[in-house]
Amino acid sequence: DTGVSQDPRHKITKRGQNVTFRCDPISEHNRLYWYRQTLGQGPEFLTYFQNEAQLEKSRLLSDRFSAERPKGSFSTLEIQRTEQGDSAMYLCASSSYSLDGYTFGSGTRLTVV
Amino acid sequence: GQQVMQIPQYQHVQEGEDFTTYCNSSTTLSNIQWYKQRPGGHPVFLIQLVKSGEVKKQKRLTFQFGEAKKNSSLHITATQTTDVGTYFCAGKSGNTPLVFGKGTRLSVIA
Repeated sequence: DTGVSQDPRHKITKRGQNVTFRCDPISEHNRLYWYRQTLGQGPEFLTYFQNEAQLEKSRLLSDRFSAERPKGSFSTLEIQRTEQGDSAMYLCASSSYSLDGYTFGSGTRLTVV
Repeated sequence: GQQVMQIPQYQHVQEGEDFTTYCNSSTTLSNIQWYKQRPGGHPVFLIQLVKSGEVKKQKRLTFQFGEAKKNSSLHITATQTTDVGTYFCAGKSGNTPLVFGKGTRLSVIA
């Protein structure tokens, strides 16, 4: 297991298009998190899953955003009708227990033009 | 909601000087974690503090958790160029996901 994998690494899209990102967590980890990071800021929480259940969503996550984790394995984050304000690094992280440190993936950098 | 604040935002030091970053939470935390993000990289977990007044050391890094479990600090002794990056604290209250501070960007001048 090589850690948390995210795909794609970079995505450039036109405003109004839909995009989908994938995250493959460490296989033994049952918790999976999505964060968003903009330049000069810390990661901002978006949503998280315990196994396949989505337990919490931030109010940052508008109705254009949806996340899934079918079968409690990989997760996808979809953004519909992208806006320029959605440009950011989208980070996925996983952990094995609620008190463990998070292992982050390398992120997907989204640029909306 | 819970907020985590860090100061300073930036710190420039000469190699060999010490460095400290401070973290304050608006609420009492169940634990606090520290992460390091190298330029162009992703956050990497450094350590977790759970107990009131806890102090942990990793080589030249010393981490403290306040008695009230609302603040924390990271101190680096005799900085090296390999210490360059942004250091984030992140706090949890109960079973909530981590809330990150905005980080302190450390530059080390050789």
